[in-house]
This record gives sequence, structure tokens and C-alpha cells, in this order.
Amino acid sequence: EDQVTQSPEALRLQEGESSSLNCSYTVSGLRGLFWYRQDPGKGPEFLFTLYSAGEEKEKERLKATLTKKESFLHITAPKPEDSATYLCAVHNTGGFKTIFGAGTRLFVKA
Amino acid sequence: DVKVTQSSRYLVKRTGEKVFLECVQDMDHENMFWYRQDPGLGLRLIYFSYDVKMKEKGDIPEGYSVSREKKERFSLILESASTNQTSMYLCASSLQGENTEAFFGQGTRLTVV
Repeated sequence: EDQVTQSPEALRLQEGESSSLNCSYTVSGLRGLFWYRQDPGKGPEFLFTLYSAGEEKEKERLKATLTKKESFLHITAPKPEDSATYLCAVHNTGGFKTIFGAGTRLFVKA
Repeated sequence: DVKVTQSSRYLVKRTGEKVFLECVQDMDHENMFWYRQDPGLGLRLIYFSYDVKMKEKGDIPEGYSVSREKKERFSLILESASTNQTSMYLCASSLQGENTEAFFGQGTRLTVV
């Protein structure tokens, strides 16, 4: 069964303290892996798409990487405004369905 | 700027009521989706549509139906609301194809009492 697992469930960082969020996936055939950011009371907002192992993408303090079994979202020198829930999702071959992980809630304290 | 708009941010309905959640997108996207989001469970797909008048069941369609009469509008219907349908409902749209990112609405927090 296709599955996406994110860890940790919650992460508390001090401002400037770099860390990584993990997304492990099991799918029959990966077409794409997506990262979204969700602020409280709002819908998810697209960050990145990764298509193949070894691919990396960056946006400001965020960098996403992909291997054959997992993806990491690296956060370098985070700021309080980076506090949000980060969602990982995968598209598998042959369908329109997207499988989402439960998310990692990130708290960055000034 | 791309936009997906859900008709209500907050709704409170009584058990047994028929509930309509409306979603409109202005991006001319072919695909539209309805998800519910519950703590610890992530986003779960209720229904999706890849064309006008077309619909496909997602992972948890029981107790729900949908309608897509126009390309820009996708409605979720709770036939007879129950307390276990209390949740955050998210509408999304995307371009045709399997590997395109989704654009989400702001969500509707539905409480069934």
C-alpha cells in the first residue's frame, strides 16, 4: 500500500538553529514528490516538486532533497516566520491521486 | 495571482442537515479536489473531478457527494451531516496531468452539532 510518513511530528527550534524534516515514502512508482507549507487556519501552499533521486531544489532558507526512499526538507538558519506545518505528498504512477503525509509542525522561537 | 475560493471559512450545522460546500477557481484548471484534514491523519481525498460533470471517488467518499456543472466550480455535499464529519475541508485545483502541483483554498472549518 502506498504510504507517506513524516517525522518528527513536531520540531521546536531556536532562531538560527538549522535542522531537517524527513519524509519517507513507499509507492508503487514515484511520479513526483511535493512539499507544501501550511499556516494555521489556511490551506497548504506549494513549495517544491522533486521528480528523481538526487534532485535538489532551494527557496530562501529551504532546501529539498530526494532519494529513492525519502526526502528531506533542510531549513538553514530558520526565522520565526518559518513556523508552520510542512506537508509532504507523492504522486504515484497511473492515477490522479496524491498521497499526503500527516505533516511536521515546526516552531521557531526568537 | 491564482486563486481558489471556498464559500465559507466557518460553518456550524446540525446533525441530519444537508450541507453544501462551494469552491471556485479562476485558473481554468481541469482538475479539482475535495479533501478533509484531521489532526494526525493528514489530508484525505474525498472526491476529485478531472472534467466538467466527471467525478471519481477518493479514499473516503462515504457520506459525501459532489457536483461539477461548470469548470470553475466544484461543490461538496454532505447528504445528512453527522458529528464524525466535523473537520477542516480543503478544496484544491490543478492543471491536467498527473504531476502538477495543487492550489488550495483557505479551507472551511465545519462543525456538526
